[in-house]
Amino acid sequence: DIQLTQSPSFLSASVGDRVTITCRASQDINSLLAWLQQKPGKAPKLLIFAASTLQSGVPSRFSGSGYGTEFTLTISSLQPEDFGTYYCQHFKDFPITFGQGTRLEIK
Amino acid sequence: EVQLVESGGGLVKPGGSLRLSCAASGFSFSSYSMHWVRQAPGKGLEWVSCIRGFNSNTYYADSVKGRFIVSRDNAKNSLFLQMDSLTAEDTALYYCARYHDTGFFYVDYWGQGTLVIVSS
Repeated sequence: DIQLTQSPSFLSASVGDRVTITCRASQDINSLLAWLQQKPGKAPKLLIFAASTLQSGVPSRFSGSGYGTEFTLTISSLQPEDFGTYYCQHFKDFPITFGQGTRLEIK
Repeated sequence: EVQLVESGGGLVKPGGSLRLSCAASGFSFSSYSMHWVRQAPGKGLEWVSCIRGFNSNTYYADSVKGRFIVSRDNAKNSLFLQMDSLTAEDTALYYCARYHDTGFFYVDYWGQGTLVIVSS
């Protein structure tokens, strides 16, 4: 099974900061990676798919990059509503797996 | 508007069974593969199962293989998860989600979840 490891697990940042979350895959997954945001008590929301494609309606301050085994999600200028937990998810094959999550707190 | 509404969750004793349903609307259900994903209280997301849209092939996480069965009724725009031999480790919020698996691959719509509690 493909394991996804996110870092950091917890992040505290200020409004306006540039924030980067990393997801490492245990084997090559090409660009078959998505990023999700989940707020407390809510279902996850798709932000990025195919490693770098912004989902419709998602603010352009979110961006994704990477290929193969290393991927990043970047928030260029953190906004108050960006708090929550961020997950990466691969689609290389079954079983599909998620990273363990990165909890983002706004200072 | 795409909508996914789960139902069927509840309290069940260890060893018991439960059948979850997911009612889909706002899109051509038969054209899409669908996932079940669960989230234990205070924990991360865990993929559970997938059923393809075009051939109804099914896939399972090792943790549920042999105990859970995913199915669909395209005529009724419905997705199901039959869960047997439940244990406390199956306690979670269960989401159904739409899977885009042609060209690009991603899960773009999620329901709000149905809570399953396995306890004596």
